[in-house]
Amino acid sequence: DGGITQSPKYLFRKEGQNVTLSCEQNLNHDAMYWYRQDPGQGLRLIYYSQIVNDFQKGDIAEGYSVSREKKESFPLTVTSAQKNPTAFYLCASSIRGQPQHFGDGTRLSIL
Amino acid sequence: SQQGEEDPQALSIQEGENATMNCSYKTSINNLQWYRQNSGRGLVHLILIRSNEREKHSGRLRVTLDTSKKSSSLLITASRAADTASYFCATDEGSYIPTFGRGTSLIVHP
Repeated sequence: DGGITQSPKYLFRKEGQNVTLSCEQNLNHDAMYWYRQDPGQGLRLIYYSQIVNDFQKGDIAEGYSVSREKKESFPLTVTSAQKNPTAFYLCASSIRGQPQHFGDGTRLSIL
Repeated sequence: SQQGEEDPQALSIQEGENATMNCSYKTSINNLQWYRQNSGRGLVHLILIRSNEREKHSGRLRVTLDTSKKSSSLLITASRAADTASYFCATDEGSYIPTFGRGTSLIVHP
C-alpha cells in the first residue's frame, strides 16, 4: 500500500531540546513538504523539497531545519530556536503540479 | 504569499441537506484544489479544477470556478454525518506549491 508515514503521532519537547519528526513516503514522489497547522490558521508552509539534496524555505522556516538525503525521506527538526513549537505538523508529497498526499500528522507539545 | 479564504468559517446542517462553502483568492491561478480533513488526521484531496474549467463533479461533490470573480465553491449534496470535517481550498499560482486557506468546519447532524 503506497502512502506517507509520519512518526511519532505525539511528541513532547523539553525546553532547549531539538526534536526530529519523521516523514517517509513510498509513492515515488519527487516533491515533499512540511506544514504547520495551528487552530484557525490553516496550513502554513515550513519547508519544501522538489528533488533529493535540495530544499527551500517556506513562509515560516525560522526555528526549523530539514534534510533530503533520500527520495523517500524528509525529516523535520524543530530546534530550540523555535519558541512556540506547539502545533500539528503535516508532511505531504506530490508529483510536481499534482495534488498532494498527506500523512496523518505529528502533534508536538511542550513539557 | 497568496492565500485562499474560505467562507463560512463554520457551517452546521442536518443530514440530507446540501452544504456550500466558498473560496476567494487574490491573483491569477493555474488551478484550485479542495481538500478534506477529518479531526486529527491529514488532508485528503477531493477535486482539482484548472483555470480553464468552470465546473467539475465527483460523486456528491460539485466544484465551480469563476476566474473573473476569483472565487470557487464546493457543493456537497445530500450531506451525511460522515461528511463532518474541515474543508480547505488551495491555490496554485504556477509555482506548483499550493497555498492553503484557513478552512470551513462542517458539522452534519444525524
